[in-house]
Amino acid sequence: DSGVTQTPKHLITATGQRVTLRCSPRSGDLSVYWYQQSLDQGLQFLIQYYNGEERAKGNILERFSAQQFPDLHSELNLSSLELGDSALYFCASSVAGGRTSPLHFGNGTRLTVT
Amino acid sequence: ELKVEQNPLFLSMQEGKNYTIYCNYSTTSDRLYWYRQDPGKSLESLFVLLSNGAVKQEGRLMASLDTKARLSTLHITAAVHDLSATYFCAVVVHYQLIWGAGTKLIIKP
Repeated sequence: DSGVTQTPKHLITATGQRVTLRCSPRSGDLSVYWYQQSLDQGLQFLIQYYNGEERAKGNILERFSAQQFPDLHSELNLSSLELGDSALYFCASSVAGGRTSPLHFGNGTRLTVT
Repeated sequence: ELKVEQNPLFLSMQEGKNYTIYCNYSTTSDRLYWYRQDPGKSLESLFVLLSNGAVKQEGRLMASLDTKARLSTLHITAAVHDLSATYFCAVVVHYQLIWGAGTKLIIKP
C-alpha cells in the first residue's frame, strides 16, 4: 500500500458529462501529480501541485482542471468528456518535488466514457 | 528536446534467461527511477539511482546508472514468470520527471 488514496476506483459516464477525481496524498507529502494512462499507453503527465500551488503543467487539456486544497488533497476535474478521455488516471505524491524522492502512486481511477 | 527512450518496448523471453532493458536520456540528469507496473495496476517504485556508477539490486533485478553515457540499465537474471510486467524508467530534470514509454516484459514458463 503506497499510502496514496484515489476515489472512485471506477467511473462510467457519458460523453459531454463532467466528473471529479479525488486524491489524498501520503501523510507528509506536499507534492501531488496527476497522470493519464490510456490502454497500452505510457504515462502522460498532466499537472503537478506543490503545497497548494501549481508547480508544473504537462499535456493537460483545457477541458481538464485541477487544484490542491489546504489539507493537501487534490481533485482533477474533467469536463465535456469525450470517448478518448477513457483511461486510467493516476495520482502520485512525493515529499518534495520528485527530485529527491520517488513518486508514490495511488491505485488509479478507471474512467470509461460511453 | 527532452527525451527518455527505452528499448526494447516489448520483450518476450523464457524463464531462466537473462536480459537487459535500456533507458537512454537526452539531457543531463543525476537521478533516475525505475518503476514496475502490473496490468491495470498501480506503479511500484523499484530503484532510485542517485549518482554516476550507482548500482542497486533486488532479487533478480539489478539497475545501474551511467550519467556520462546518459544510460541506465535494468538487468534481469534467471527470469521467472512473476517478473512479467511493464517497466518504466523516469529521469529527473529540473524538478520534473521525464518518463520512458515503458518496456512490456512477458516471461514464459
